[in-house]
Amino acid sequence: DTAVSQTPKYLVTQMGNDKSIKCEQNLGHDTMYWYKQDSKKFLKIMFSYNNKELIINETVPNRFSPKSPDKAHLNLHINSLELGDSAVYFCASSQGVGDNSPLHFGNGTRLTVT
Amino acid sequence: GESVGLHLPTLSVQEGDNSIINCAYSNSASDYFIWYKQESGKGPQFIIDIRSNMDKRQGQRVTVLLNKTVKHLSLQIAATQPGDSAVYFCAESSMENNRLAFGKGNQVVVIP
Repeated sequence: DTAVSQTPKYLVTQMGNDKSIKCEQNLGHDTMYWYKQDSKKFLKIMFSYNNKELIINETVPNRFSPKSPDKAHLNLHINSLELGDSAVYFCASSQGVGDNSPLHFGNGTRLTVT
Repeated sequence: GESVGLHLPTLSVQEGDNSIINCAYSNSASDYFIWYKQESGKGPQFIIDIRSNMDKRQGQRVTVLLNKTVKHLSLQIAATQPGDSAVYFCAESSMENNRLAFGKGNQVVVIP
């Protein structure tokens, strides 16, 4: 009954590969996010979707492509992985957008690119 | 381990003492603030929030104080317990930008 679940928890891959991270929320929220946490624990937003529509797209390389098949799912596909992509990626969801409601986070996917 | 080489501001506190974690935010238009707790290997977990029309809010063992004049936010934890050991983040957002921006984390280490 995990509220925000993402898979896999760990992902180790080589440079140049393409990989996907999946996220699902069972909270009935309308908005989902991807955040990236670097080695210094700094959390930065990457994307946000509201009811399957992209509403936030920060300065992220085109190699990162989010996809939201429905409002309960937001997947992240990464092409041509680079060493600098190594980080922990967190999925999150919130009730709405611009309504100042808290985000609920998954437990992260630790991506290591070798 | 995960924290090797990581130099977050660290607060070491004796079990049972009170902890205070401070945060300076940057956007004067921010009107919503949250404190999150992140334990090792887990995602950030909501602790308490406060809107800009308030300057203090209390939860269970936690109190958040907001000083809009100096753009300062603090989290007070009463009777700190070993389970409070974690990295704590403040975050801010506004109705204008629709995004939650996180501050730098603060490591709290509880000494039994």
